[in-house]
Amino acid sequence: DAGVTQSPTHLIKTRGQQVTLRCSPKSGHDTVSWYQQALGQGPQFIFQYYEEEERQRGNFPDRFSGHQFPNYSSELNVNALLLGDSALYLCASMKYSEAFFGQGTRLTVV
Amino acid sequence: QQQVKQSPQSLIVQKGGISIINCAYENTAFDYFPWYQQFPGKGPALLIAIRPDVSEKKEGRFTISFNKSAKQFSLHIMDSQPGDSATYFCAARVDSGSARQLTFGSGTQLTVLP
Repeated sequence: DAGVTQSPTHLIKTRGQQVTLRCSPKSGHDTVSWYQQALGQGPQFIFQYYEEEERQRGNFPDRFSGHQFPNYSSELNVNALLLGDSALYLCASMKYSEAFFGQGTRLTVV
Repeated sequence: QQQVKQSPQSLIVQKGGISIINCAYENTAFDYFPWYQQFPGKGPALLIAIRPDVSEKKEGRFTISFNKSAKQFSLHIMDSQPGDSATYFCAARVDSGSARQLTFGSGTQLTVLP
């Protein structure tokens, strides 16, 4: 059983560009959350998707948007990239209580 | 308040010793408290979790102690091994409804010396 998979693993973008990150949840999991982890910090909640709808959102600007597909996979889109958006972006999937994380996408904005 | 405060920021122990990491929270609505282990370049991995109806949970060398009245919980790693060297995060969540976000502590970098 594959766990949570994220793509790409690493990404370098220029300030002002747009980026799309992808996540495939663990088999049977219907809820996907996205987190941003800055270097040396704990993950910060961006938003959560369930039944293809955004259910809850953390303190992130509208430049951060997402989508969940009928197969439960998800995308995170970030527009107008800033240098401060450089971080590890983590996807977590869950069915009931336990959240399982992917290996993350390391985004570097230059 | 949604914050979870974690200490210490870093911890160095000898092989075979006990590692203790502490967390405190303010939101009394939190009812699920997991600990995650993260190695460099990897995502966090669930280590052990507890709910506030018990004061202690043990799984192998890992134990969570929970003090509901003090709003504190801690992770104890017995017989610490060099392979335990990683960053540990406590977290908390309101475990009800359709949205169940995790609020993380700031992390503790554990180094176990051989």
